[in-house]
Amino acid sequence: DAGVIQSPRHEVTEMGQEVTLRCKPISGHDYLFWYRQTMMRGLELLIYFNNNVPIDDSGMPEDRFSAKMPNASFSTLKIQPSEPRDSAVYFCASRPSGTFYNEQFFGPGTRLTVL
Amino acid sequence: DQQVKQNSPSLSVQEGRISILNCDYTNSMFDYFLWYKKYPAEGPTFLISISSIKDKNEDGRFTVFLNKSAKHLSLHIVPSQPGDSAVYFCAASALTGNMLTFGGGTRLMVKP
Repeated sequence: DAGVIQSPRHEVTEMGQEVTLRCKPISGHDYLFWYRQTMMRGLELLIYFNNNVPIDDSGMPEDRFSAKMPNASFSTLKIQPSEPRDSAVYFCASRPSGTFYNEQFFGPGTRLTVL
Repeated sequence: DQQVKQNSPSLSVQEGRISILNCDYTNSMFDYFLWYKKYPAEGPTFLISISSIKDKNEDGRFTVFLNKSAKHLSLHIVPSQPGDSAVYFCAASALTGNMLTFGGGTRLMVKP
């Protein structure tokens, strides 16, 4: 069974460019989470979805960040325009609903470098 | 305001010895705790968890202890192996909630 899939694995872009990160959750998982990992702030939650609907986006740093989940098997995190301080590793995670335990399954991450 | 803290950024242990990783939390609403392990260039993977109704949970070489009064938990790895070298994240949640709050991580190095 495939795990959470993220693409691209690495992205290098220049300041001001639009960046789109992609995630395919594990089939059957109803929750999808986007995280950002930096040295300064550690692993922080940006936004999460339940049944394709955004539930909590309080962690999204600025209006330059947006996330969508058009269907149960695909989500995007977009940064427009990108800035050097957005350089980080972005993780997507998913989990099924109806479980007692809150374990989330993480993808391999996308390492973003904004020059 | 960090609600979950891992005060040791790194830990070095000899192979075969015990590794103890610590985690403190401040939010009294947290009642479920998890440990994740992360290798370079990979996403975090779930290791072990504990709910607040317990004070200990064991899975093979890994044991998590919870001290609710002190708002402290620890992960014990016995015996430590070189393959355990990774970054370990402590995470907390409310059972009624969906979000995990992570600590900053502790890098464990197990020397052969």
